[in-house]
Amino acid sequence: GAVVSQHPSRVICKSGTSVKIECRSLDFQATTMFWYRQFPKQSLMLMATSNEGSKATYEQGVEKDKFLINHASLTLSTLTVTSAHPEDSSFYICSAIIQSQADSYNEQFFGPGTRLTVL
Amino acid sequence: DQQVKQNSPSLSVQEGRISILNCDYTNSMFDYFLWYKKYPAEGPTFLISISSIKDKNEDGRFTVFLNKSAKHLSLHIVPSQPGDSAVYFCAAKGYKLTFGKGTLLTVNP
Repeated sequence: GAVVSQHPSRVICKSGTSVKIECRSLDFQATTMFWYRQFPKQSLMLMATSNEGSKATYEQGVEKDKFLINHASLTLSTLTVTSAHPEDSSFYICSAIIQSQADSYNEQFFGPGTRLTVL
Repeated sequence: DQQVKQNSPSLSVQEGRISILNCDYTNSMFDYFLWYKKYPAEGPTFLISISSIKDKNEDGRFTVFLNKSAKHLSLHIVPSQPGDSAVYFCAAKGYKLTFGKGTLLTVNP
């Protein structure tokens, strides 16, 4: 299957700083990428849908000024957690859909996730 | 309000036996259901899916059953293998994927 990478896999930062997480589709083009967050023992929660070349669509309750998403190319989307606080500590996972099968959720490929810890 | 529920956080079965993972949903507008498998430190990987117009889909050792009237689906793995040990997420598709909390399956040799 297609490969989606995330960098970094783990990050620890101080409260008030900003952290950038990268999501790359390595062997396919993805017009649409998704960002999820997973708290311990909870389900994956969709934060936003990122479309190449346009503004991201955020889910209700997700602060767009705090979680900045940029999808500048067909293979890269970034999530920046601005002014991070301890309650932002979580597991962040991105996923990407193969361009030619945008309606097929069978072809949603997930990255390995990024563990963010805010001290 | 959790629209997709996996009420069993964990399940332990013996190798060779059947594993049955359950999932309940509340939104009748969901039109597609998927199961994902997740190993530690990896992202979820797609396992099997079923359209809301069907009641069964089979792929090798994996079978998904859908009972629309009960808003319930289940994943059957038979025979279970130690390599199947992972967290299994049920997901339902509306305008987005909504995930359950997952069930940790442990298959003992």
